[in-house]
Amino acid sequence: TQLLEQSPQFLSIQEGENLTVYCNSSSVFSSLQWYRQEPGEGPVLLVTVVTGGEVKKLKRLTFQFGDARKDSSLHITAAQPGDTGLYLCAGEIYGGATNKLIFGTGTLLAVQP
Amino acid sequence: EAQVTQNPRYLITVTGKKLTVTCSQNMNHEYMSWYRQDPGLGLRQIYYSMNVEVTDKGDVPEGYKVSRKEKRNFPLILESPSPNQTSLYFCASGRSGGAWNEQFFGPGTRLTVL
Repeated sequence: TQLLEQSPQFLSIQEGENLTVYCNSSSVFSSLQWYRQEPGEGPVLLVTVVTGGEVKKLKRLTFQFGDARKDSSLHITAAQPGDTGLYLCAGEIYGGATNKLIFGTGTLLAVQP
Repeated sequence: EAQVTQNPRYLITVTGKKLTVTCSQNMNHEYMSWYRQDPGLGLRQIYYSMNVEVTDKGDVPEGYKVSRKEKRNFPLILESPSPNQTSLYFCASGRSGGAWNEQFFGPGTRLTVL
């Protein structure tokens, strides 16, 4: 069974601080997606990274896919209370008829004003 | 508005009483999927469907059934719910099951089985 470990599990920081969330696996993924989930809602896709070493930026969020396509990181600069939520990584594995998404265990981020 | 809807949003039931959670999408997506979300375990796939009348097991299918008679609907059926099926359930849809498949999630159904 493929496993995607996220760290840290919980993170509580002050507004303006920087943070990094990690997503690690022993499996190789064809792509890696990051979702954010807010209370009472379903996850919403933030970004997809496809190429080993790829870096994508979304305003203050920077996503990186590891060179070997087994891991990824999400870095938030100058966090805002609006960044609060559950961050989920999801690795895509090629499965023939359909690709499969394996979700990480999640990182719960709280940004205090 | 493009969306995935689920009903009910909250459900408390008792062991053994059959229930159905409905899921509907208005984006003409071929691919639909059900997940359960439990603390520390992330999202785990229950069943998925590549298209009408095509369904397959995910990672945790035991105790669940699905059907895909129409493209837009993908109900989740618990024939005899048990307390270990207490969880937060999400339905999702996507354009295809191929590469880089973005999934659009419903708002979730919180189920409690007593």
